[in-house]
Amino acid sequence: DIQMTQSPSSLSASIGDRVTITCRASQSITSYLNWYQQKPGKAPKLLMYAASSLESGVPSRFSGSGSGTHFTLTISSLQPEDFGTYYCQQSYTSPRTFGQGTELEIK
Amino acid sequence: QVQLVQSGAEVKKPGASVKVSCKASGYTFTSYYMHWVRQAPGQRLEYMGIINPSRGGTTYAQKFQGRLTVTSDTSTSTVYMELSSLRSEDTAVYYCARETMVTNSGLDYWGQGTLVTVSS
Repeated sequence: DIQMTQSPSSLSASIGDRVTITCRASQSITSYLNWYQQKPGKAPKLLMYAASSLESGVPSRFSGSGSGTHFTLTISSLQPEDFGTYYCQQSYTSPRTFGQGTELEIK
Repeated sequence: QVQLVQSGAEVKKPGASVKVSCKASGYTFTSYYMHWVRQAPGQRLEYMGIINPSRGGTTYAQKFQGRLTVTSDTSTSTVYMELSSLRSEDTAVYYCARETMVTNSGLDYWGQGTLVTVSS
């Protein structure tokens, strides 16, 4: 199975900050990388797909980049509603493994 | 509108099996894969498996091989996830989620989740 590793595991940032989360794959997944946001007690929500494509309805302050084994999710200006846990997931092959998650706290 | 509606919470004893349903509506059922993902309390998302509803083909994560069975019923647009030989570590919220077969677009719609509690 392809292993997905996120960093950091948690972070605390202030409103307006630029935030970056990193995801690394154990082998090349080209651009088959998706990002999700999950809030407590809720199902995950798709934010980005194919590494850099913004899901419909997701604010443009979210962006994604990368290919191969190294990917990033960036929030350009952190908003109060951006708290939650962020997960990357590879869709290159089955099983479609997830990263361990990055918990984002608003200071 | 697209909806994935899952069956209700279950309480099972160790060694038993559980079967969770996921009824799809608002889209062409056979044009999307269906995945199952679970999340133990306070833990990360854990990928379980995938089914192609039109052909019935499945792939399961190695961890669940031999215990997990995912099936589909195209007549009712419903996917089923059955997990056997339950143990306490299987206590989790189980989600179904769809993915288009056409492009690399992620899991765009999720069910509401089904809590399965395994306790003696």
